[in-house]
Amino acid sequence: AQKITQTQPGMFVQEKEAVTLDCTYDTSDPSYGLFWYKQPSSGEMIFLIYQGSYDQQNATEGRYSLNFQKARKSANLVISASQLGDSAMYFCAMREGIVDTGRRALTFGSGTRLQVQP
Amino acid sequence: DAGVIQSPRHEVTEMGQEVTLRCKPISGHDYLFWYRQTMMRGLELLIYFNNNVPIDDSGMPEDRFSAKMPNASFSTLKIQPSEPRDSAVYFCASSQGRDRIDEQYFGPGTRLTVT
Repeated sequence: AQKITQTQPGMFVQEKEAVTLDCTYDTSDPSYGLFWYKQPSSGEMIFLIYQGSYDQQNATEGRYSLNFQKARKSANLVISASQLGDSAMYFCAMREGIVDTGRRALTFGSGTRLQVQP
Repeated sequence: DAGVIQSPRHEVTEMGQEVTLRCKPISGHDYLFWYRQTMMRGLELLIYFNNNVPIDDSGMPEDRFSAKMPNASFSTLKIQPSEPRDSAVYFCASSQGRDRIDEQYFGPGTRLTVT
């Protein structure tokens, strides 16, 4: 079974609008972390935001926020006030066993390609 | 501080040849990861090291792949012999390993083409 599912292969958004990129996950581990990475056309992977399974509040980092719904096992990324530079691939990833510091592997979803239109 | 450094950035080789990809992690980072990205399989972890010791190599495709980390500032991923299906972008990443977030910092990747 897929551990990370991103059901939107591609999304379009108008500049200055908000957009939500979906991510659902599957784990039986009670402690896990969810990450979002951005991959622009240049190819590098850029860390955006993190949400821990025990975090009480939804994570926010500037224009990025995470809509974390633990019971539904979803961790959707919200980008507010989209900019042309936000056009990129976005990957959701999970690390299980964050309390057990020995486990460091990230499992990635298939990604969503976001295109911001002027 | 410089980010994760990978070399070469591009590699084109013929089937059957040996390929060596190199990575220098961020100084002070205790963990080093090798990932492969293809259209078909997405981003997948190949192997990772903690303090130069391989911890999980379950993602290494087969015996043709090997990875080493002889010291804290250098790692190699070797493919011998290479096959066309090994064509992919190979990323190296590193992390500090000292807090629960412990985000991974990725290098620019090596684009490998095996003809």
